[in-house]
Amino acid sequence: DSGVTQTPKHLITATGQRVTLRCSPRSGDLSVYWYQQSLDQGLQFLIQYYNGEERAKGNILERFSAQQFPDLHSELNLSSLELGDSALYFCASSVRPLAGGPRDTQYFGPGTRLTVL
Amino acid sequence: AQTVTQSQPEMSVQEAETVTLSCTYDTSESDYYLFWYKQPPSRQMILVIRQEAYKQQNATENRFSVNFQKAAKSFSLKISDSQLGDAAMYFCAYRSALTGTASKLTFGTGTRLQVTL
Repeated sequence: DSGVTQTPKHLITATGQRVTLRCSPRSGDLSVYWYQQSLDQGLQFLIQYYNGEERAKGNILERFSAQQFPDLHSELNLSSLELGDSALYFCASSVRPLAGGPRDTQYFGPGTRLTVL
Repeated sequence: AQTVTQSQPEMSVQEAETVTLSCTYDTSESDYYLFWYKQPPSRQMILVIRQEAYKQQNATENRFSVNFQKAAKSFSLKISDSQLGDAAMYFCAYRSALTGTASKLTFGTGTRLQVTL
């Protein structure tokens, strides 16, 4: 168990709909990363937040947005869903300035499997 | 931009034998981190091993070790005494160590490892 939690585990929805994926990082971790794993694109970085602020953007569509809240949990919002958005969405966390340990290592949650019908 | 290449889509090893998974990467940076992640059928991403580029010594974690060749930009994973539980998809990943850059992971396309009796 990595200590990173994601809900829900599975999500089935229709095209055009909007969904929200939730992530709770490991206790004390300040950074949250979102990744998308699809059959044709592999594992792609979407966006990173650090202590509530957006730090970096990757291949994230304009229909997607994210935020990190004061309690450090993060949400990824996917709107106007298309069939091609079906994928496994991972959240990862890193950086434990108080607890120590390697700051560079990202620990992944179990993922949310999104199916768009 | 950095790229990570895993040229072996599938590998097979007999139980108790040793197998080596290959990974090459392309970067102009001198300081970075390299990782191997394991993704079993549960789809959870599990950290196997990490290597810091400025360290010449190859990382080891129990039955897992790496052969890090910085000049050749090669980072292979050796699994000794293979077990049935090692069957999974293995991803090689790169992360820049430069301060101020995004600390995203760039993944290879993965190698599926089968372990046979």
